[in-house]
Amino acid sequence: QQPVQSPQAVILREGEDAVINCSSSKALYSVHWYRQKHGEAPVFLMILLKGGEQKGHEKISASFNEKKQQSSLYLTASQLSYSGTYFCGTEERGSNAGGTSYGKLTFGQGTILTVHP
Amino acid sequence: GAGVSQSPRYKVAKRGQDVALRCDPISGHVSLFWYQQALGQGPEFLTYFQNEAQLDKSGLPSDRFFAERPEGSVSTLKIQRTQQEDSAVYLCASSLAFSGNTIYFGEGSWLTVV
Repeated sequence: QQPVQSPQAVILREGEDAVINCSSSKALYSVHWYRQKHGEAPVFLMILLKGGEQKGHEKISASFNEKKQQSSLYLTASQLSYSGTYFCGTEERGSNAGGTSYGKLTFGQGTILTVHP
Repeated sequence: GAGVSQSPRYKVAKRGQDVALRCDPISGHVSLFWYQQALGQGPEFLTYFQNEAQLDKSGLPSDRFFAERPEGSVSTLKIQRTQQEDSAVYLCASSLAFSGNTIYFGEGSWLTVV
């Protein structure tokens, strides 16, 4: 079952902030965030491996609440280049050592982010 | 190579035709994944290779879909007797090792079945 992303779409003006949420019904080992522009490859943003972990990448950061099986992506002071579709990919806990699986990701349906000047 | 390379980038096939899609992963990457992405949707898992071993093919939609990675590097996804519902973008991705590693995607092969 795929994770659920919210909202489905966001429209911002340059400089505004946004939060994209990703929620799963499965116990998770990791959460991966990607941005995809039309006709291009999904571009890796960050990976969150442990419950509560927060990672940052320039003005983009994310958190992972392992207990709630949720992750959120925070975009601050948005730029025109942030426009695109954001996907979370979840890796479920598996049967390998440490509760890992082999890295198979299940993706949400995506959140379309549009930033206007 | 610098990134995951896929070919062809675009393919138009007549219904019933066989197609082969190639993926050249990042050099040294052990894990290789194939995903299918329909318009406006997130990628959906098709199959996974660890080196040359196909460890998971649970996402392949039918026995018309076949994937191989004979020498643990380049992989080919083959679709036999293509149907219109096979029209999608086929994404290849690779990762250095297993869980918890960054997974890098190629730009995809856009398949249109007419």
